[in-house]
Amino acid sequence: AQSVAQPEDQVNVAEGNPLTVKCTYSVSGNPYLFWYVQYPNRGLQFLLKYITGDNLVKGSYGFEAEFNKSQTSFHLKKPSALVSDSALYFCAVSPYTGTASKLTFGTGTRLQVTL
Amino acid sequence: GAVVSQHPSWVICKSGTSVKIECRSLDFQATTMFWYRQFPKQSLMLMATSNEGSKATYEQGVEKDKFLINHASLTLSTLTVTSAHPEDSSFYICSARDLPGLVYADTQYFGPGTRLTVL
Repeated sequence: AQSVAQPEDQVNVAEGNPLTVKCTYSVSGNPYLFWYVQYPNRGLQFLLKYITGDNLVKGSYGFEAEFNKSQTSFHLKKPSALVSDSALYFCAVSPYTGTASKLTFGTGTRLQVTL
Repeated sequence: GAVVSQHPSWVICKSGTSVKIECRSLDFQATTMFWYRQFPKQSLMLMATSNEGSKATYEQGVEKDKFLINHASLTLSTLTVTSAHPEDSSFYICSARDLPGLVYADTQYFGPGTRLTVL
């Protein structure tokens, strides 16, 4: 069975500073990895994904993530944080990309960006 | 692209009544949709996988007679909470994927969620 760990409940960063939200995973076979963001009382918005190819994946709103197979990690990064980035971030993994493939989510990391 | 809508966005009902939540993929077709439940400050819990034209597949511990799922077309799935009770109060979120081989096939796109409060 697959699993995702987001070791930090909350990450605090000042606006303009780089941010990292950590994610490690466990899955049999090739992992398909996703990051989503959730604003209060809203559904999840897709940020980026790793399916295959380059280990550095670029996504929406200036976010990027690096797939590291040896460390089984998929950390989310942004060079310069904005206050508007403050939200709940979820990492998710799937063992394949068939239409019925299920996502397993991490517990979420709350990002707080302050002025 | 890849827009998923839900209706209603919030609903308040009395205990014992049934509530229907709709999930639509607006600009793509979805053979499979997923229904999740999210408790405050917690992650998403998959309730069931909704398959167009066939029965839904429920996760262990989810009562299929209580949470009725219908996926009548490639763009619409409904979740009906039957005989709702206060413990059913939660945030329900659906997601959808495109047909195999198409642009949005390998990613789940989520609706905005429905807040259900049962009095």
